[in-house]
Amino acid sequence: GDSVTQMEGPVTLSEEAFLTINCTYTATGYPSLFWYVQYPGEGLQLLLKATKADDKGSNKGFEATYRKETTSFHLEKGSVQVSDSAVYFCALSRGDSSYKLIFGSGTRLLVRP
Amino acid sequence: KAGVTQTPRYLIKTRGQQVTLSCSPISGHRSVSWYQQTPGQGLQFLFEYFSETQRNKGNFPGRFSGRQFSNSRSEMNVSTLELGDSALYLCASSTREAEAFFGQGTRLTVV
Repeated sequence: GDSVTQMEGPVTLSEEAFLTINCTYTATGYPSLFWYVQYPGEGLQLLLKATKADDKGSNKGFEATYRKETTSFHLEKGSVQVSDSAVYFCALSRGDSSYKLIFGSGTRLLVRP
Repeated sequence: KAGVTQTPRYLIKTRGQQVTLSCSPISGHRSVSWYQQTPGQGLQFLFEYFSETQRNKGNFPGRFSGRQFSNSRSEMNVSTLELGDSALYLCASSTREAEAFFGQGTRLTVV
């Protein structure tokens, strides 16, 4: 079945460091891919998305490129801030008459001043 | 535009009881999905409703049920609560582009 695999956390970085969170997926067809972020005590917020191969999603300095050849959708940011500390979830949606999301296990990011 | 609203935010129930959680989607969104979030299992899909019809269901026992009303508001019900049902229950409403917008969740504690 469909699945999403994320790198284990926590990821601890200093402010202004470069961030990469790896995400790979298994799915037939052409799923849409998403990154969601969850701050403490909150629900999930959509960070960015990509709907087809080679699409690049971007938002708030975060970027991810849909790589079908490597079935990956890695999240990157050039310079992290303390306020980026949160849990990040990679997810896919088959889009075949359903909006069901399949999530990875989440990666906790801690940014130190 | 108001976001997804879930009520109540917190609940404490006793084993064997039943509980009903409510979700009001973003205006205009016809799809509502429910997810269970636990530290051990992560985010798991419960079910999805679209225009009052359940169109997808996750791998949960029949104690978990839901429904959607004509105004797109949704409820989920868990009967005969077990300790393992303690979790954050998240509701999401989706756009036609499959972008899901989540509520803040209902934290259910079963004692």
